[in-house]
Amino acid sequence: ILNVEQSPQSLHVQEGDSTNFTCSFPSSNFYALHWYRWETAKSPEALFVMTLNGDEKKKGRISATLNTKEGYSYLYIKGSQPEDSATYLCAFVVNYGGSQGNLIFGKGTKLSVKP
Amino acid sequence: EPEVTQTPSHQVTQMGQEVILRCVPISNHLYFYWYRQILGQKVEFLVSFYNNEISEKSEIFDDQFSVERPDGSNFTLKIRSTKLEDSAMYFCASSEEENSNQPQHFGDGTRLSIL
Repeated sequence: ILNVEQSPQSLHVQEGDSTNFTCSFPSSNFYALHWYRWETAKSPEALFVMTLNGDEKKKGRISATLNTKEGYSYLYIKGSQPEDSATYLCAFVVNYGGSQGNLIFGKGTKLSVKP
Repeated sequence: EPEVTQTPSHQVTQMGQEVILRCVPISNHLYFYWYRQILGQKVEFLVSFYNNEISEKSEIFDDQFSVERPDGSNFTLKIRSTKLEDSAMYFCASSEEENSNQPQHFGDGTRLSIL
């Protein structure tokens, strides 16, 4: 059974703090890793799709790194703002010998940023 | 920015009744998906759809479930005879290409409550 784990489950930080959280996934048969930002009562919004070992992606104050050999990705938020409060989901895509499987989600990290 | 829309936002149905959840994907997208999230659990893949047929489906997507693209814009999920355990948030998503290294665009979801 393919499993994607995210930690921590929840995180409370003060405005201005920088923070990071982890997505762990199987280190074999990697195809891609997706990150989504999900605000309450809204739809999940795509942040990054990462495909290569060593990939680093950035969008404003949010960045992500990828290590496919050891099976983890980090998401970093620099100088957190209250509007960053959301659940951050990662999703792993399996490589089935050249064709890809579907998104396998982690449970998410719920970030709360206090003003 | 174009978005995926889902209706209704909340559906309450008696056990054993049929329910149809509706989605309008982004107009130039070719790949469509349904996911669900049971309260407190991970988002789970149900089915993917391309070129008017199912590309892939999960174990959850049994004979009680069906999908259809009845016209050029709508994408529907039908549950034939609902069970209590079908209560969940159902998300539709679409992408320009198959899911591997393209982000998926999600709707706001339909909360399905089975009584």
